[in-house]
Amino acid sequence: AQSVTQLDSHVSVSEGTPVLLRCNYSSSYSPSLFWYVQHPNKGLQLLLKYTSAATLVKGINGFEAEFKKSETSFHLTKPSAHMSDAAEYFCVVSDPGNTGKLIFGQGTTLQVKP
Amino acid sequence: GAVVSQHPSWVICKSGTSVKIECRSLDFQATTMFWYRQFPKQSLMLMATSNEGSKATYEQGVEKDKFLINHASLTLSTLTVTSAHPEDSSFYICSARDFETDFLDSPLHFGNGTRLTVT
Repeated sequence: AQSVTQLDSHVSVSEGTPVLLRCNYSSSYSPSLFWYVQHPNKGLQLLLKYTSAATLVKGINGFEAEFKKSETSFHLTKPSAHMSDAAEYFCVVSDPGNTGKLIFGQGTTLQVKP
Repeated sequence: GAVVSQHPSWVICKSGTSVKIECRSLDFQATTMFWYRQFPKQSLMLMATSNEGSKATYEQGVEKDKFLINHASLTLSTLTVTSAHPEDSSFYICSARDFETDFLDSPLHFGNGTRLTVT
């Protein structure tokens, strides 16, 4: 069965410093992985996706993630945090059965300090 | 891009009443929609998979008689919380995939969610 584990429930960074949000996955076959962001009381916005193409994936708003099969990881990074990046981030794996439902990690709250 | 519209964005109802939440795909067709529930400070939990023209598939532990799902057309799925109680208060989010262009490993398009408060 597919699953993802986000290693940090809360990450705090200063504005202008790098962001690292960690995610490990478990999958019995080649996974499709995503990062979504959720601002308070809002729906979810797709940041980026990995679907077995390039292992380094670039997304919106300067975010990127690297798929490392040997480490079963898909960490999200950004070189320089902005105040507007403060939100909840979810690492997600697709269950490619006949419906393709998404399975969410526990979420990481990113706090950006001025 | 593909847009999923969810209505209402928030609703307050009294205990014992029923509430209907609509999820529409505005510019694409969706044979399958997904309903998630999110408690405060927690992740999204899949409740059920809504299938156009057939019965929904519920996840383990989700009461199908309490959370009625209807997917009557390729652009509309509804979730009805029947005989709501305070413990049903939560954030409900629907999502969908364009069945003409998206593969099963494609990301989902999400609605903006419905905040349900049962008093």
